[in-house]
Amino acid sequence: DAGVIQSPRHEVTEMGQEVTLRCKPISGHDYLFWYRQTMMRGLELLIYFNNNVPIDDSGMPEDRFSAKMPNASFSTLKIQPSEPRDSAVYFCASSVQGRSQPQHFGDGTRLSIL
Amino acid sequence: AQKVTQAQTEISVVEKEDVTLDCVYETRDTTYYLFWYKQPPSGELVFLIRRNSFDEQNEISGRYSWNFQKSTSSFNFTITASQVVDSAVYFCALSDAGSSNTGKLIFGQGTTLQVKP
Repeated sequence: DAGVIQSPRHEVTEMGQEVTLRCKPISGHDYLFWYRQTMMRGLELLIYFNNNVPIDDSGMPEDRFSAKMPNASFSTLKIQPSEPRDSAVYFCASSVQGRSQPQHFGDGTRLSIL
Repeated sequence: AQKVTQAQTEISVVEKEDVTLDCVYETRDTTYYLFWYKQPPSGELVFLIRRNSFDEQNEISGRYSWNFQKSTSSFNFTITASQVVDSAVYFCALSDAGSSNTGKLIFGQGTTLQVKP
């Protein structure tokens, strides 16, 4: 079975540009999570969805960040405008049935904002 | 509030040595779940094990074993006869035991394990 698929794997762009990260969760999973990993702050939850509905976006750092899940098989995380401090690895994860089940992570997107 | 502490930032061992990675957690809830993830140098996060708060049996999977002790709020991970391929960052995580069944994970800061040949 296919795991969580993220694209692109690497993104390098200039400050001020719009960045869109994409995620395809595991089929049948009803929870989707977006995380950011940095050396300073470790793994941080940004937002998560249940059945395509955003449940908790309290981890989204600022209004420049937005996330959508138009259907059960696709989600995007957008940064507009991007800033150098947004440079990080962004992970998408999915799970089924909530907290009793493990989250399965994609390979991540390594984002560099110049 | 929930919290996960991995006090060991980095550990270095020589191949074939046994190594234990410590994890201490804090929660006020009686029902919770604990997880270990591995992040190899290639960067992906790999799920290793899940443990619920009602099951204190230790678990062994090949060279890996886990010791869950509610009395000390610890969920330690031991690798027996370590190998170079075990070199990675290991994360301990706690599920959020809020009012909703969310699966929100609280991660520790991770322990970097280096196994030298």
